Amino acid sequence: GESVGLHLPTLSVQEGDNSIINCAYSNSASDYFIWYKQESGKGPQFIIDIRSNMDKRQGQRVTVLLNKTVKHLSLQIAATQPGDSAVYFCAENRRSGGGADGLTFGKGTHLIIQP
Amino acid sequence: DAGVIQSPRHEVTEMGQEVTLRCKPISGHNSLFWYRQTMMRGLELLIYFNNNVPIDDSGMPEDRFSAKMPNASFSTLKIQPSEPRDSAVYFCASSWGSEEKLLFGSGTQLSVL
Repeated sequence: GESVGLHLPTLSVQEGDNSIINCAYSNSASDYFIWYKQESGKGPQFIIDIRSNMDKRQGQRVTVLLNKTVKHLSLQIAATQPGDSAVYFCAENRRSGGGADGLTFGKGTHLIIQP
Repeated sequence: DAGVIQSPRHEVTEMGQEVTLRCKPISGHNSLFWYRQTMMRGLELLIYFNNNVPIDDSGMPEDRFSAKMPNASFSTLKIQPSEPRDSAVYFCASSWGSEEKLLFGSGTQLSVL
């Protein structure tokens, strides 16, 4: 089955609320994780990444949390805006030593921001 | 920087025809990746190049698919002959050195009738 997967295929939140998108991974040796945002008709756009030696990393309105014990990754978006509506993908790098060739992508969660 | 540039944005063709997708990576990036995206299978890595050399093509579905990178600024993905099941969005992405962050193009929406 899918080793990098998302708990919910669709998530609907009210504008202004916070959203949390979850991702499970299966390879405990993965040492790099990344979130992408894909808007309709566009390519995936980098949001934020995190290495396995960290538990949390913050960006502008986004926070990624990594729980290595349960192999779980989450993306938190604060004060959601209409422009946040998109499909969000998590990916893990199963290959140590760098390089993007080891990235494996989940199938994505569709985030819908309700006005 | 204009980012990764792909052409065409949309391609509609008939079964049996040859299809060529094009990609210009970000200047200075030395790794280039071709992905296919479908609803059923998500993002799948087809092939990637490092310094213009194909490193891993194990994701290429079958011999009908081929990819080339004649120089650091251009790559093609060719399907010959095309089949309806090849319909998907094809993305090109690039990165530099050991950088794990991929930057994607806008994709080519391929429809094979």
